[in-house]
Amino acid sequence: SQQGEEDPQALSIQEGENATMNCSYKTSINNLQWYRQNSGRGLVHLILIRSNEREKHSGRLRVTLDTSKKSSSLLITASRAADTASYFCATRPRGDDKIIFGKGTRLHILP
Amino acid sequence: NAGVTQTPKFQVLKTGQSMTLQCAQDMNHEYMSWYRQDPGMGLRLIHYSVGAGITDQGEVPNGYNVSRSTTEDFPLRLLSAAPSQTSVYFCASSHGVGRDTQYFGPGTRLTVL
Repeated sequence: SQQGEEDPQALSIQEGENATMNCSYKTSINNLQWYRQNSGRGLVHLILIRSNEREKHSGRLRVTLDTSKKSSSLLITASRAADTASYFCATRPRGDDKIIFGKGTRLHILP
Repeated sequence: NAGVTQTPKFQVLKTGQSMTLQCAQDMNHEYMSWYRQDPGMGLRLIHYSVGAGITDQGEVPNGYNVSRSTTEDFPLRLLSAAPSQTSVYFCASSHGVGRDTQYFGPGTRLTVL
């Protein structure tokens, strides 16, 4: 079974609103990453947060990590039409070389 | 830099045929991996490599072989294609453990009839 699980599976919001997606994982990790995928394209890296970090920012993105709950959230502020995409979390389990992805959240920004 | 390149972009196979999906990167990355993406399933790791000459299995390795004879190339071989292998295949690379940002290729869309 997959390590990461995003929630919700799909999200529709109005342009300008904030979008929040969550990721839960099963085992201890070294780091957690978020990626974006536009329809039919390869994934693009957004942000990486290490297991000893609690919060990280990059532009309109804010990522939090709660290792006690084995969960992370991705907040996109002031959403734009160009943010319409699928968002995936990816984890490297502690002591492992693999990077495992979740099933993703489909985000749709309404004009 | 071209980044991560994949060929072909599209491929149609008949059941039982074999083929190789090509992946190359020009960033001198040690870590390379293959994922398949199916609707509603996200990306599932097929095989990965932490350096030339070293490969290991991912979550769904059955029916696929890989080799890593050079740092740049990481081909994925389908030994005897099955309809269940119809999917979009992505190759990715990164510098390695501790530098995990992965760079993805554009994908290969494979249909097995």
